[in-house]
Amino acid sequence: QSALTQPRSVSGSPGQSVTISCTGTSSDIGGYNYVSWYRQHPGKAPKLIIYDVTKRPSGVPDRFSASKSGNTASLTISGLQPEDEADYYCCSFAGFNTFWVFGGGTRVTVL
Amino acid sequence: EVQMVESGGGLVQPGRSLRLSCTTSGFTFGDYAVSWFRQAPGKGLEWVSFIRNKVYGGTAEYAASVKGRFTISRDDSKSIAWLQMNSLKTEDTAVYYCVRYVGYYFDSWGQGALVTVSS
Repeated sequence: QSALTQPRSVSGSPGQSVTISCTGTSSDIGGYNYVSWYRQHPGKAPKLIIYDVTKRPSGVPDRFSASKSGNTASLTISGLQPEDEADYYCCSFAGFNTFWVFGGGTRVTVL
Repeated sequence: EVQMVESGGGLVQPGRSLRLSCTTSGFTFGDYAVSWFRQAPGKGLEWVSFIRNKVYGGTAEYAASVKGRFTISRDDSKSIAWLQMNSLKTEDTAVYYCVRYVGYYFDSWGQGALVTVSS
């Protein structure tokens, strides 16, 4: 059981938008602006795509956007492309006892 | 280019020990904290441990699931970090990732090292 709750899967056609939710508590997502998102292709290492709730590292397309409201963070992928098919994980700082918690991951399928 | 390369994984019996190494390049290792994560087969990501850089005391933190059994360390002169894993359990079976930490997020991941704990 992961600390953060994500849908197991979402899907969309090329060019469409999909949104992945990540629900936590006031002890993690709701308490800190330190939500990050990672994309992982099968058999590969995770890659940072969003940090500090809404910021994109250099090299990450602006098709990826994110937000937070209360205890829920969201990642939106606009203009879905075949290479976006992967697992996506949310992560939040959860204070100086627990440190970091993850969601269980969401499989994005491009139809 | 930032590189994080794990080594030392393998098959080990329950109760035994294993040490993972993380060899880094492409950045000033001493300026950054380093973390270890793991991913059990078919499962999600789990934070394991974290060691601060010298400016922040070089102190370490651990997930409850490994506290008292795992020890993280670093040698800034060699740009290497280690994860010493003792009293291994079958549930420690996972791919272990070494990751560079940058202010509450993790920006560079290694390719991972598989640790299998089985008799």
